[in-house]
Amino acid sequence: AQSVSQHNHHVILSEAASLELGCNYSYGGTVNLFWYVQYPGQHLQLLLKYFSGDPLVKGIKGFEAEFIKSKFSFNLRKPSVQWSDTAEYFCAVNAESSASKIIFGSGTRLSIRP
Amino acid sequence: EPEVTQTPSHQVTQMGQEVILRCVPISNHLYFYWYRQILGQKVEFLVSFYNNEISEKSEIFDDQFSVERPDGSNFTLKIRSTKLEDSAMYFCASIGQGDRPDYGYTFGSGTRLTVV
Repeated sequence: AQSVSQHNHHVILSEAASLELGCNYSYGGTVNLFWYVQYPGQHLQLLLKYFSGDPLVKGIKGFEAEFIKSKFSFNLRKPSVQWSDTAEYFCAVNAESSASKIIFGSGTRLSIRP
Repeated sequence: EPEVTQTPSHQVTQMGQEVILRCVPISNHLYFYWYRQILGQKVEFLVSFYNNEISEKSEIFDDQFSVERPDGSNFTLKIRSTKLEDSAMYFCASIGQGDRPDYGYTFGSGTRLTVV
């Protein structure tokens, strides 16, 4: 069965700092990978996704992620964070078919100091 | 942009009572899902639904839970006899069919269920 690990539970950064959130997944087959963001009191929103092609994926709000198949990783990056990026970030994977369930990681809480 | 809508946004119920959470998926979507997020914990898969039947369910989705698509637009989650540990945010999601470049789940804004 597939699983997702996010090793950083809480990350605190100052504005303009660079961000990298780690995500590793466990599954031997073809996967689709996602990053979702949940702003305080709001629902899950898709930041970016990967399912084929260029392993460097660009998403909304200046975020990007790189799929490294050999490392089973899909780390999220942003060169310069803003206070408005304060949120919970979830890495997720689904496997087998595009309609199968999504498995979420435990999430990383990002706090940005103004 | 099309949305998945969920009602109510917040429901408080007494332990042992039945609750029905409602979702209206995007109109041309065919696959529907329920997830839940207990406060401070990760988002967990409950059940997937396609072609008017459950296609997959997790161990959380026991006999107390059921899903239904009673008409062409609504997708409901029923909890027959709520327990304190059912308190969580429940998210509905849907996707269309086919491997489109813009594929991705659309989540609703959630229903916060509080069992007292």
